[in-house]
Amino acid sequence: EPEVTQTPSHQVTQMGQEVILRCVPISNHLYFYWYRQILGQKVEFLVSFYNNEISEKSEIFDDQFSVERPDGSNFTLKIRSTKLEDSAMYFCASSLGLLENTEAFFGQGTRLTVV
Amino acid sequence: DAKTTQPPSMDCAEGRAANLPCNHSTISGNEYVYWYRQIHSQGPQYIIHGLKNNETNEMASLIITEDRKSSTLILPHATLRDTAVYYCIVLYSGNTPLVFGKGTRLSVIA
Repeated sequence: EPEVTQTPSHQVTQMGQEVILRCVPISNHLYFYWYRQILGQKVEFLVSFYNNEISEKSEIFDDQFSVERPDGSNFTLKIRSTKLEDSAMYFCASSLGLLENTEAFFGQGTRLTVV
Repeated sequence: DAKTTQPPSMDCAEGRAANLPCNHSTISGNEYVYWYRQIHSQGPQYIIHGLKNNETNEMASLIITEDRKSSTLILPHATLRDTAVYYCIVLYSGNTPLVFGKGTRLSVIA
């Protein structure tokens, strides 16, 4: 069964450092998403991406965050200068079409710890 | 914010049907009801979705009331591996993202 792959599974970084979280969406999917979940809290939407541009973003997704699809397979989330409160599980997801017509497939997440 | 209301937690005996309710009284005509679950700290997993009619797949059944203001997810024979947080999500039309609420924490008990 096709799956969304995220690397690394766990990343520890020092406050102020840049971090890049990587995702390989399902190959024929066209829509890509990043979510985060702070320990013990809800899964929160960050950004959606389609046709090489951001289609929607939440208030959380400020100038510290950026996304990129550098080639035909990877989808990355960059945090420029990490803060302690960026510590969370980050989930990548992809879907074949608009979510009203199909399902989103989520990766297993990257646990980011900022120290 | 999520436009659904779910009980925070439920218990179910292993082998019995788990019935998870969801209220979505402000739903409009072209909005789907989706169910996802999250096992421990894994990525959310799609279960089922529907618009007006009841739906069934290999994982679960979805019963939507005629006025569409509420729905019930049914896991017909719950197993210990079904212990998870279950999210009921109303998906607005267009290219809108999934918005997760707090969900229902289902504990399946042996």
